[in-house]
Amino acid sequence: GQQLNQSPQSMFIQEGEDVSMNCTSSSIFNTWLWYKQDPGEGPVLLIALYKAGELTSNGRLTAQFGITRKDSFLNISASIPSDVGIYFCAGLYGGATNKLIFGTGTLLAVQP
Amino acid sequence: EPEVTQTPSHQVTQMGQEVILRCVPISNHLYFYWYRQILGQKVEFLVSFYNNEISEKSEIFDDQFSVERPDGSNFTLKIRSTKLEDSAMYFCASRTAHSGNTIYFGEGSWLTVV
Repeated sequence: GQQLNQSPQSMFIQEGEDVSMNCTSSSIFNTWLWYKQDPGEGPVLLIALYKAGELTSNGRLTAQFGITRKDSFLNISASIPSDVGIYFCAGLYGGATNKLIFGTGTLLAVQP
Repeated sequence: EPEVTQTPSHQVTQMGQEVILRCVPISNHLYFYWYRQILGQKVEFLVSFYNNEISEKSEIFDDQFSVERPDGSNFTLKIRSTKLEDSAMYFCASRTAHSGNTIYFGEGSWLTVV
């Protein structure tokens, strides 16, 4: 089945640093989504990317949909302690159901 | 802002018991999903539901599982004869009918099978 490989698995950074994480797939997706999950809660949508090559920002977050439609990256600038959590990329697999395939996640820890 | 709501937030059940997890999707959404996340692992697709029937299911979604939309607002996941390995966070999600629209998740129901 489709698999999304996310890297790095975890990051431990100082407050104020910039962060970059990426996601690659062997399959083509129509839409890429980035979610953040806090402990014990559901994934919360951060950014949605709909077109190959699209670069989208949401505050301190920037994400890009790769030209090949098989990869995406997420950057967080000037990290703050509340950025702590697990970040998941997800590919929206088209067809009748539009199910999401999730990446393996990147754990982000921010040291104040 | 409209949201997907799930109950219970946490349930502990004995192995072999039946469990029903409930979800109220966002009101104008037409596609409904259940996902599962075993502790420390990624979120996995279980099943999608549209027009009162299952549209797709994963290999995880075997005969032990069933879904139902008993009325106009609720969407339930039933797990018959629970096993220890069913312990996980179960997320309900929904979306509108427009292709490419994003999927919104509930806060999850944490199931512990003992």
